[in-house]
Amino acid sequence: GAVVSQHPSWVICKSGTSVKIECRSLDFQATTMFWYRQFPKQSLMLMATSNEGSKATYEQGVEKDKFLINHASLTLSTLTVTSAHPEDSSFYICSAVEVPDTQYFGPGTRLTVL
Amino acid sequence: QKEVEQDPGPLSVPEGAIVSLNCTYSNSAFQYFMWYRQYSRKGPELLMYTYSSGNKEDGRFTAQVDKSSKYISLFIRDSQPSDSATYLCAMSDSNYQLIWGAGTKLIIKP
Repeated sequence: GAVVSQHPSWVICKSGTSVKIECRSLDFQATTMFWYRQFPKQSLMLMATSNEGSKATYEQGVEKDKFLINHASLTLSTLTVTSAHPEDSSFYICSAVEVPDTQYFGPGTRLTVL
Repeated sequence: QKEVEQDPGPLSVPEGAIVSLNCTYSNSAFQYFMWYRQYSRKGPELLMYTYSSGNKEDGRFTAQVDKSSKYISLFIRDSQPSDSATYLCAMSDSNYQLIWGAGTKLIIKP
């Protein structure tokens, strides 16, 4: 079955540094990937839609210059949190869409900014 | 074998029926169990969050966890057309990494 991985699973960084999170579809190609943010025991908030070969589409209120998304291939999308601050600490989850419309979720990346 | 198994459906039931959605899992270390509802083009909405075994009720929704059988269920009473969505189960161990079911597409017919 379709598997989506994320790396790293847990990252701790200092305030002001940048952190890159990878999302990979392991056994299928995904032209569309989504990035979500989740606070403890809350729903997933869609941050952006990542389309292979084009610019990501950001949801209202999400700073595109802070959360850089690169969907460089059909199996990899990256989310870079630039100049991270403690308020960016959260659980980041990606999903990948297997054509036509089945969405598979990654295990999540826990970001802690000190 | 996947760590979490969930029938993708679609499951079609008439309005007012009781809906039963299920997931099975293989990792006995899972202790946090969640049900999400996802409408088309929206992010998954957390419906129920359960720790360890037992039942939890919230309005028309009841979540059950049977750790001995490695089986979780979500029941929806008095189902409405607005309940039509994809329902995803997810679970984690103490490391909080989420393992997702494939999602069951539910259709409530008026």
